[in-house]
Amino acid sequence: QVQLQESGPGLLKPSQTLSLTCTVSGASISSDSYSWSWIRQPAGKGLEWIGRIFIGGTTNYNPSLRSRVTISGDTSKNRFSLKLNSVTAADTAVYYCARNHYDSSGSVYAFDVWGPGTMVTVSS
Amino acid sequence: DIVMTQTPFALSITPGQPASISCKSSQSLLYTNGKTYLHWYLQKAGQPPQLLIYEVSNRFSGVPDRFSGSGSGTDFTLQISRVEAEDVGIYYCMQSVQVPRTFGQGTKLEIK
Repeated sequence: QVQLQESGPGLLKPSQTLSLTCTVSGASISSDSYSWSWIRQPAGKGLEWIGRIFIGGTTNYNPSLRSRVTISGDTSKNRFSLKLNSVTAADTAVYYCARNHYDSSGSVYAFDVWGPGTMVTVSS
Repeated sequence: DIVMTQTPFALSITPGQPASISCKSSQSLLYTNGKTYLHWYLQKAGQPPQLLIYEVSNRFSGVPDRFSGSGSGTDFTLQISRVEAEDVGIYYCMQSVQVPRTFGQGTKLEIK
């Protein structure tokens, strides 16, 4: 059974850097059958895709956040991370990590596994 | 970015009755490989979203057959043939034909 678990500080001050880690169990983040994404959701609002990493090295980011975001992977610990610089109150949200699963036919099980989410609050 | 527009914003359905949610995209979601990358999720209170339907009409593992998806190009529909109490939550469509991935604004389903 594949499980994802987000971890990191829950409270930040404006201008600080948000750093979250998603630890994966039951699947290898090195597999080329998967990519790994971060998605966030402000309270009572919809879902915003932040970006993704293929552990082979490719990353893609939402243009709305690209200047502030870095997603990286640590294959030795089977986890991937999110860094978001210069946070403001607008970055307050539940942050989720999620898996994309690709099969050999080209089918995509988009975000088939999610972590439970972690709440991050930005406040002075 | 591809804009995803869902209607209605909310539904109130009697158990056993059908429900339908529409999702329209600002661009075609048909990819060059012939697949259409439109997916549906249900987010129950206090939980992350869960994948219901992938690639327009394929039920994900464990999803009851009362859920079905249809559509093509830019117009898509999620149908629930007979709503049950456990179906309450917010339904989202999402496109993965292009980066950035984008979601609809959500449709809240409640039980009468």
